[in-house]
Amino acid sequence: GENVEQHPSTLSVQEGDSAVIKCTYSDSASNYFPWYKQELGKRPQLIIDIRSNVGEKKDQRIAVTLNKTAKHFSLHITETQPEDSAVYFCAASRRKVTGGGNKLTFGTGTQLKVEL
Amino acid sequence: DTEVTQTPKHLVMGMTNKKSLKCEQHMGHRAMYWYKQKAKKPPELMFVYSYEKLSINESVPSRFSPECPNSSLLNLHLHALQPEDSALYLCASSQVLDYEQFFGPGTRLTVL
Repeated sequence: GENVEQHPSTLSVQEGDSAVIKCTYSDSASNYFPWYKQELGKRPQLIIDIRSNVGEKKDQRIAVTLNKTAKHFSLHITETQPEDSAVYFCAASRRKVTGGGNKLTFGTGTQLKVEL
Repeated sequence: DTEVTQTPKHLVMGMTNKKSLKCEQHMGHRAMYWYKQKAKKPPELMFVYSYEKLSINESVPSRFSPECPNSSLLNLHLHALQPEDSALYLCASSQVLDYEQFFGPGTRLTVL
């Protein structure tokens, strides 16, 4: 099955700095890579995703890059703000061929702390 | 309605109790999911339903019994749980042929 590794497990940055979180996946058939933000006691919320036919995607201060050959994908947050403090999970998925639905395999998470 | 709702928010049960968790969505999604999340860990997939039929069972113990009575509802029936089953149980939904999953707020379960 799919295995997703995520680094670092904790990340502290000063407000205004950039933050980068990296993930690797094992299943070359995975073709969807979302990033979720989870604040303490709340639900995971999708912040950005990328599909395997795209190398980079950007949404305001957030960007994701994908290297299919190396099976790496990364989250980049620029101009960090205190409200960016949360746990961030990467995930990988391939659509289930029969039966429908898709199986998300999550990375272990990164606790991001943005300090004033 | 663009939300997944879950009830109850919190549940405390004994090891001999029977209880149920409920999940509801009105986004027309025909794929629904149950995840288990322990503290400081990622969500782990338990079950996937597609068109109200069980599509994936991640070798979950039989003390967890899922049910999808219609396209908007997903239940998780609990019986004879163990203290190690204490966790946040998250429901999610998606279009069957799409990837994006929308998560509910979860039910925090404590087994005494």
